[in-house]
Amino acid sequence: SQKIEQNSEALNIQEGKTATLTCNYTNYSPAYLQWYRQDPGRGPVFLLLIRENEKEKRKERLKVTFDTTLKQSLFHITASQPADSATYLCALEGGGYQKVTFGIGTKLQVIP
Amino acid sequence: NAGVTQTPKFQVLKTGQSMTLQCAQDMNHEYMSWYRQDPGMGLRLIHYSVGAGITDQGEVPNGYNVSRSTTEDFPLRLLSAAPSQTSVYFCASGDREVGYTFGSGTRLTVV
Repeated sequence: SQKIEQNSEALNIQEGKTATLTCNYTNYSPAYLQWYRQDPGRGPVFLLLIRENEKEKRKERLKVTFDTTLKQSLFHITASQPADSATYLCALEGGGYQKVTFGIGTKLQVIP
Repeated sequence: NAGVTQTPKFQVLKTGQSMTLQCAQDMNHEYMSWYRQDPGMGLRLIHYSVGAGITDQGEVPNGYNVSRSTTEDFPLRLLSAAPSQTSVYFCASGDREVGYTFGSGTRLTVV
């Protein structure tokens, strides 16, 4: 069956360090992968999209990599700040056109 | 402001009651979807639509009904509410190439 795995345990890092979050998937052949941020009590907010033919994508302090052989995406936040504390979700299309499934998310806590 | 508008923000229903969760977007997106989010379960897709008149089932469609008569609106109907439908419901619209915009959610409690 199709599965998206994110580390459901919280990730705690010190301010200024680089946070790295992992998204692994099985039985998908995604044309793209997306990352979202969700704050408590709010809807997810789109951050970045990376396509299957792209190895890396950057946006300000954010970097996403996509390895279709390993079936894995890594999401990096450099020079992390307490304001980056949130839950980060990855999302894939599978089982139908624009049928998008989300991972459970990883909660990031940046400690001042 | 442009975006996805969900109403109501909060709702309490009795078991067996029916209701409609409203979702409207003003970005002219063909794609719209409904998710529910439960603690420890993440976002689960209920129904989605790739255009007016076209809908399809997601992962957890039972107990929910949708229709898409216009590009702007995508209401979600609970036919006979059950306590298992207590959840936070999110509507989204967008495109696979540029990402999806979510509404602020409807918090539903079924007693």
